[in-house]
Amino acid sequence: EAGVTQSPTHLIKTRGQQATLRCSPISGHTSVYWYQQALGLGLQFLLWYDEGEERNRGNFPPRFSGRQFPNYSSELNVNALELEDSALYLCASSRVWETQYFGPGTRLLVL
Amino acid sequence: AQSVTQLGSHVSVSEGALVLLRCNYSSSVPPYLFWYVQYPNQGLQLLLKYTTGATLVKGINGFEAEFKKSETSFHLTKPSAHMSDAAEYFCAVSESGGSNYKLTFGKGTLLTVNP
Repeated sequence: EAGVTQSPTHLIKTRGQQATLRCSPISGHTSVYWYQQALGLGLQFLLWYDEGEERNRGNFPPRFSGRQFPNYSSELNVNALELEDSALYLCASSRVWETQYFGPGTRLLVL
Repeated sequence: AQSVTQLGSHVSVSEGALVLLRCNYSSSVPPYLFWYVQYPNQGLQLLLKYTTGATLVKGINGFEAEFKKSETSFHLTKPSAHMSDAAEYFCAVSESGGSNYKLTFGKGTLLTVNP
């Protein structure tokens, strides 16, 4: 069974640009979660989508947004990039209320 | 609100020695507890989890953890460390259902295994 996949693996942007990160969940999983792992800040919850709806949101500004498609894949968009947005962005998937399984992450570097 | 405290940001052991990584949690509802491992430049891999039932949980690669409600702890152990265990370990807590279903992580413990 294929695991959670994320693309791209690395992304380099400049301040003020927009970044789009993609995630494909494990087959049969309807929930997708996004986490940010920034140096010195640890792993922080960003967003949770289930059945196409945003279910929960972490303490991040509105320029972090996303969506979930009918095939349950998901996109994370970060607008007006700032230097401190440089981080590893991890996507996880699960059946609703069940264990989350993580992808390899997208490393975003903002210059 | 939930929180996780991992005592010791860096633990160093010799190959063959006992591994003990400490985790204490805070949760206002019965928690679900997890240990994940992260190897360099990779995502998180689930080691083990506690939801309900038996408080001693066995995971992959010889790791186990015991849920102690009275101590609000979920420490991770392995009787004999192997070089391949060197990685960063994260303890996490989630609420058992509800609209707040997310993982709250500790800061992580970097495990070094010396030959």
